[in-house]
Amino acid sequence: QQQVKQSPQSLIVQKGGISIINCAYENTAFDYFPWYQQFPGKGPALLIAIRPDVSEKKEGRFTISFNKSAKQFSLHIMDSQPGDSATYFCAAGGDGGATNKLIFGTGTLLAVQP
Amino acid sequence: NAGVTQTPKFRILKIGQSMTLQCTQDMNHNYMYWYRQDPGMGLKLIYYSVGAGITDKGEVPNGYNVSRSTTEDFPLRLELAAPSQTSVYFCASSVMGSGSYNEQFFGPGTRLTVL
Repeated sequence: QQQVKQSPQSLIVQKGGISIINCAYENTAFDYFPWYQQFPGKGPALLIAIRPDVSEKKEGRFTISFNKSAKQFSLHIMDSQPGDSATYFCAAGGDGGATNKLIFGTGTLLAVQP
Repeated sequence: NAGVTQTPKFRILKIGQSMTLQCTQDMNHNYMYWYRQDPGMGLKLIYYSVGAGITDKGEVPNGYNVSRSTTEDFPLRLELAAPSQTSVYFCASSVMGSGSYNEQFFGPGTRLTVL
């Protein structure tokens, strides 16, 4: 119930291509879905986040698509660049911000080839 | 602002030894968190705190202890190190939610090896 399942575990994309990472959840109490980006040797950093009252959120080349009925959400990276090579984590929050706790997915290692 | 700082960056412990991982934030955040990151397992919450003097267990608290005597500091204590505690540890902080979620800011991590 508290898990967030993330796939794929790793992804190789050519420069200029579209990277797609998927996440699924079971707990319908989740109401906040952020994506974090982590470069080697660094801590994760917030990339983009969505609430379930919208089906899509776009920030530059990064888009979250959210399907409430299927309990799935995905990150799309358009025009992928070598600088996007990192590990991406989806997450979910379910306490309305009372503690701001998050459940993280297992991560996707993205490599963008030049 | 330095943000979230963690010390040490690396540490090797022998089985049964104890140590404290330090975490300090200078953003006046109420909420602080400790995670461990293992390959293929993502980030697991160990302990968290919603303010000075208040701490609570996360998903994987066994073998760890925390304290929060000030807003700035949130140390993580390992009393009897075990090989299963070999991991990368991240501290994070966020402002207090007011009916909504807020970004968690992460430190650079501590890589711990227990042999």
